[in-house]
Amino acid sequence: DTAVSQTPKYLVTQMGNDKSIKCEQNLGHDTMYWYKQDSKKFLKIMFSYNNKELIINETVPNRFSPKSPDKAHLNLHINSLELGDSAVYFCASSPAPRYGGYTIYFGEGSWLTVV
Amino acid sequence: KNEVEQSPQNLTAQEGEFITINCSYSVGISALHWLQQHPGGGIVSLFMLSSGKKKHGRLIATINIQEKHSSLHITASHPRDSAVYICAVGDGPRGAGSYQLTFGKGTKLSVIP
Repeated sequence: DTAVSQTPKYLVTQMGNDKSIKCEQNLGHDTMYWYKQDSKKFLKIMFSYNNKELIINETVPNRFSPKSPDKAHLNLHINSLELGDSAVYFCASSPAPRYGGYTIYFGEGSWLTVV
Repeated sequence: KNEVEQSPQNLTAQEGEFITINCSYSVGISALHWLQQHPGGGIVSLFMLSSGKKKHGRLIATINIQEKHSSLHITASHPRDSAVYICAVGDGPRGAGSYQLTFGKGTKLSVIP
């Protein structure tokens, strides 16, 4: 039973299109994240939500719009896709943050290729 | 902003060897994470630690808060350990409740039979 699931796993699309990636977690966590992994395998935070509220938005173009209908779901919608958006997008979740940290659970990743 | 450095970037080992991957960071943190990513695969959290040492099977993670340094050790390495190992540091809870991870660039480990 997958803890953090993302769909689709692979997505090939043309420049200019709009696409969405869905994420669901069944761990009962309060916090969800989107991370981007570039071609050099470097991971960076994009967004963080806590109980459906946006907490972190890290200088991501406004073509990217996260949506959290409830605390178990965090979807990523991308408008007007560009070649540079090609990357692997990881959804993740964690319990509510506290000092001292906590374990973070990642989805399997969504491989986006823009052509 | 925290700077996270990992070394080495690439590591090739013979099966059975003891492996060490290092991670250093520039600013005090609340916790450090070691993650594993297999080729074409997802990311798995191996350890989260804020002090001392943790062990899970053949994997051992240590952290020295004063020196801002952590190591991941693999004993009796095996080809299935071949993966990218990523160090990430957390900067403590922000406001109502989130926590930002800053990632190292990863160490690609190949274990040869």
